[in-house]
Amino acid sequence: DIQMTQSPSSLSASVGDRVTITCRASRGITSYLNWYQQKPGKAPKVLIYGASSLQSGVPSRFSGSGSGTDFTLTISSLQPEDFATYYCQQSSTSPVTFGPGTKVDIK
Amino acid sequence: QVQLVESGGGVVQPGRSLRLSCAASGFTFSNYGMHWVRQAPGKGLEWVAVISYDGSNKYYADSVKGRFTISRDVSKNTLFLQMNSLRAEDTAVYFCAKDQGRGYNYGSIFDHWGQGTLLTVSS
Repeated sequence: DIQMTQSPSSLSASVGDRVTITCRASRGITSYLNWYQQKPGKAPKVLIYGASSLQSGVPSRFSGSGSGTDFTLTISSLQPEDFATYYCQQSSTSPVTFGPGTKVDIK
Repeated sequence: QVQLVESGGGVVQPGRSLRLSCAASGFTFSNYGMHWVRQAPGKGLEWVAVISYDGSNKYYADSVKGRFTISRDVSKNTLFLQMNSLRAEDTAVYFCAKDQGRGYNYGSIFDHWGQGTLLTVSS
């Protein structure tokens, strides 16, 4: 199975900050990498698919980049509603696997 | 709009069986793959199973292979997860999720999710 790691596991940031989360795959997954946001008690929501494509309806302050094994999710200016846990997910090879998550909370 | 509503969770003893359901609406159910993803309390997301748009292909996580069966009823727009030989480690919120595509064993994007149903396996 492809193992996904994320860093950091958690971070504290302020409204307006630029936030970067990194995801690494244990082997190459080309661009089969998606990012999800999950708030407490809620279902995840897809933000970015195919490593860099913004899902419809997602604010443009979210962006993704990378290919192969190393990927990045960037929030250009953190908003109050962005405090949540973020997961990466690879879909290059079955089984689908998720990263362990990065919790973004208020500084 | 797309809606996915899970049901069937509850408290069950180890070794017993349970079936989860996911009622889908707002899209052409027979055109898309469907998944089950679970989340143990306070933990991350774990993919469980996928069924292709036409039901011809099914894939499972190793942790549930041989114990869980995914199926779909197009006439009822409903996804199912039959869970047998339940273990304490199966305790989780189970989400059904719509695939943006046909539900093959690659390229899956979970573009809509249900609210989840909680399964607790305990004696």
